[in-house]
Amino acid sequence: GAVVSQHPSRVICKSGTSVKIECRSLDFQATTMFWYRQFPKQSLMLMATSNEGSKATYEQGVEKDKFLINHASLTLSTLTVTSAHPEDSSFYICSARDARTGALAGYTFGSGTRLTVV
Amino acid sequence: AQKITQTQPGMFVQEKEAVTLDCTYDTSDQSYGLFWYKQPSSGEMIFLIYQGSYDEQNATEGRYSLNFQKARKSANLVISASQLGDSAMYFCAMRGGGSYIPTFGRGTSLIVHP
Repeated sequence: GAVVSQHPSRVICKSGTSVKIECRSLDFQATTMFWYRQFPKQSLMLMATSNEGSKATYEQGVEKDKFLINHASLTLSTLTVTSAHPEDSSFYICSARDARTGALAGYTFGSGTRLTVV
Repeated sequence: AQKITQTQPGMFVQEKEAVTLDCTYDTSDQSYGLFWYKQPSSGEMIFLIYQGSYDEQNATEGRYSLNFQKARKSANLVISASQLGDSAMYFCAMRGGGSYIPTFGRGTSLIVHP
């Protein structure tokens, strides 16, 4: 089945630094990737939708200058948290849609990244 | 607008028993898909089962079945013969025909007791 590899799984960084999270679709082409943020014991909050070769579409309230998303190829999307602060500490998870599957098919998720800003 | 409601924040079940996790939805789309995902403590989201709005039969995948009642707009997940490894968060999600962005419910925490 479709696999999405997300790295790193955990990262601790100092306040003010930037952190890059990668999501790769290993055996399919992901024309669309979604980036979510999840707080403890809460649901997934969609941050942005990225389409290969174009600018990401951010959800209302998500700072596009803080959460930089790049989807440079059909198999790779990156989320960079710039100038991270403790309030950015969270669980970030990506999801990809396989272009080959039907419109209402399932989405494949990465394994998530737990970011801690100290 | 689409909305997913999961009213059970937590559920407990005895090992080997069956359990039903509730999910109701609201949409104006005629064509939509409903999904269930499992999220263990490690964080990954595991796809369990899918039901299309035009599917006449309830979806089944091994021990998972989806009790789809279209008129009531409900898509409950039934897990038969619960196992200790089923302890996790379970999310119901839907995608309407007009958008490919899924909407997630708040989740239900399931704990399976030995």
